[in-house]
Amino acid sequence: NSKVIQTPRYLVKGQGQKAKMRCIPEKGHPVVFWYQQNKNNEFKFLINFQNQEVLQQIDMTEKRFSAECPSNSPCSLEIQSSEAGDSALYLCASSLYKDYEQYFGPGTRLTVL
Amino acid sequence: GDSVTQTEGQVTVSESKSLIINCTYSATSIGYPNLFWYVRYPGEGLQLLLKVITAGQKGSSRGFEATYNKEATSFHLQKASVQESDSAVYYCALSDSNNRIFFGDGTQLVVKP
Repeated sequence: NSKVIQTPRYLVKGQGQKAKMRCIPEKGHPVVFWYQQNKNNEFKFLINFQNQEVLQQIDMTEKRFSAECPSNSPCSLEIQSSEAGDSALYLCASSLYKDYEQYFGPGTRLTVL
Repeated sequence: GDSVTQTEGQVTVSESKSLIINCTYSATSIGYPNLFWYVRYPGEGLQLLLKVITAGQKGSSRGFEATYNKEATSFHLQKASVQESDSAVYYCALSDSNNRIFFGDGTQLVVKP
């Protein structure tokens, strides 16, 4: 069973507000991925890290989303100015190496009113 | 781009009957993607059910099987005899050359007693 911890489990924000969620990867896993699963069950890769360094990210993430994985602190994903279309389940996954199996957390469900 | 298609949004099967959930994929970034089936049980997080990384090979777990068919670009999930506890959402997925996972839209399996 996965030991990836995500907080909070539920997050409700108004349009234009910041929304921040956190992820603690499995112990010893230096690689972290963020995915978004929208209301249509469509998944989208957002960004991934190896230790504190960004490996890949999509355009959307570069513009309104910010993410980091500081040393000795939880990873975080923050939406600077939430939009209704950001309402989704945000999944964090970690893995031991860049090409290895990913273990998923339970997700943070964001609702933007 | 890379994508995965699951044609059935929901499948209903009586307990002890056989199951097949169809999955086809398209991989443009990588010739031989790794293929996965993930499962989300009610109230739980996404977890890996099985994976196959070599074309022609079969993966199996908990009575489920899937064969990597490169010619048909398919990775159908099968089980000979389902149980009520198998009721869940099943996601077919592939990983690209950067280990980003692309998921299908999921198939809700309902097992009737």
